Amino acid sequence: SAVISQKPSRDICQRGTSLTIQCQVDSQVTMMFWYRQQPGQSLTLIATANQGSEATYESGFVIDKFPISRPNLTFSTLTVSNMSPEDSSIYLCSVEDQGSEKLFFGSGTQLSVL
Amino acid sequence: GESVGLHLPTLSVQEGDNSIINCAYSNSASDYFIWYKQESGKGPQFIIDIRSNMDKRQGQRVTVLLNKTVKHLSLQIAATQPGDSAVYFCAEKFQAGTALIFGKGTTLSVSS
Repeated sequence: SAVISQKPSRDICQRGTSLTIQCQVDSQVTMMFWYRQQPGQSLTLIATANQGSEATYESGFVIDKFPISRPNLTFSTLTVSNMSPEDSSIYLCSVEDQGSEKLFFGSGTQLSVL
Repeated sequence: GESVGLHLPTLSVQEGDNSIINCAYSNSASDYFIWYKQESGKGPQFIIDIRSNMDKRQGQRVTVLLNKTVKHLSLQIAATQPGDSAVYFCAEKFQAGTALIFGKGTTLSVSS
């Protein structure tokens, strides 16, 4: 399975600032996704990170708030913009295994907004 | 929209018992299902998967059962160990090239 490195692993941020989360994969993958996991909750899909084009966002998530980059097949970033305490969550990068459809996850970024 | 739900938010068992975690899914067109284990402070870890053309699949100490008639998925863990304590999520996929939709999760607590 792909090895996914996500950083930072955690951060405490001030209201109104932005944080960029990086996701690096050790092999080329076609499908990459970003999920959010609010405290004590399940995972909610934010967007599909498309290589070479704009990300595809799920209902309730917009590009201005969560801009995503995907410059190549091994790397993606998610920015949480103009943060508020409601953005305090775990943000998870995931990739689909080539050929099997299995989805693997990074260890996540624990974000706390004060 | 489609959603995947779990019957029980918590399950407590004794070490050595068999555990059964249930999941009901709503999209009859979903063709791929995965069970994940998530320990505190970690990302979800793949346990086992099953496709809609199967009704049972076994792994090491785990079995997944799929009942398409009633849209029900279950995860059976044999001889549950304290290290199995975690939150378990089922997830479904509608079609290739799409992301997984996750259920609410069941917290499994194993006491020795």
